[in-house]
Amino acid sequence: DVKVTQSSRYLVKRTGEKVFLECVQDMDHENMFWYRQDPGLGLRLIYFSYDVKMKEKGDIPEGYSVSREKKERFSLILESASTNQTSMYLCASRLASGPQETQYFGPGTRLLVL
Amino acid sequence: SQQGEEDPQALSIQEGENATMNCSYKTSINNLQWYRQNSGRGLVHLILIRSNEREKHSGRLRVTLDTSKKSSSLLITASRAADTASYFCATGLFSGNTPLVFGKGTRLSVIA
Repeated sequence: DVKVTQSSRYLVKRTGEKVFLECVQDMDHENMFWYRQDPGLGLRLIYFSYDVKMKEKGDIPEGYSVSREKKERFSLILESASTNQTSMYLCASRLASGPQETQYFGPGTRLLVL
Repeated sequence: SQQGEEDPQALSIQEGENATMNCSYKTSINNLQWYRQNSGRGLVHLILIRSNEREKHSGRLRVTLDTSKKSSSLLITASRAADTASYFCATGLFSGNTPLVFGKGTRLSVIA
C-alpha cells in the first residue's frame, strides 16, 4: 500500500514564524502536490513537483515556497506565517506515467496561526 | 483553478437509501475520478472513469460519465452510516504531469 505521511497532524504557530510542513511518500512516486483545504473552497493547489528539484506554482502560491531535494520528500514552507494561512494542508503523490494515475493523500496537517 | 462543481453541496439521507452526487466540469478530460474524505482526514480514491467509458461499477458504487454534457454522477446504493463523508470529483486532463483538478465536494450524512 502506498503510504504518504505528514510530519504533524496539528500545528500551532505565531504570526511571523517560519513554518515547515513535511511530506514523505514511500512508493517512489515522481509527482508530489501540496493543497490547502478551507470550508466552502474545496482543495486548492499551492505547489506541485514533477520530480526531484522540480517545482511548479499552483493556483495559490503566494506566501508559500517548496523544496524537493529527495524524491520521497516534499516540503512546504511558510516564510512568514499569517493568520490567513490557518488551514488544513494536504499532501499527495502520484506516479508520473499518465493522467489516469491516482493521487494518494496524506492524513493532513491542521495549522493554526495565532 | 477549480473545474469540477459538485451538486448538491450537502445531502442527508436515511441508512439504506441511495445517495446520488453530481459533478459538472468545463473542459475536455482524459478521466474523472471520485475521492472520499472522512472528517479531518486525507482523501481516498474511490473510482476512476475514462473519457471513453459511460458507466463503471465498484461494489456499491456506480459512476456515470456524459462527456457531451460534461457531467458525472456517483451513486452509492444501500447507504450505511459509515458512508458519511465528503465526496469530491477530480478531473484528469491529457497532459501526463498535470495535477488533478478537484471540485468543492458534497457532504453526505447518512442517518442510522
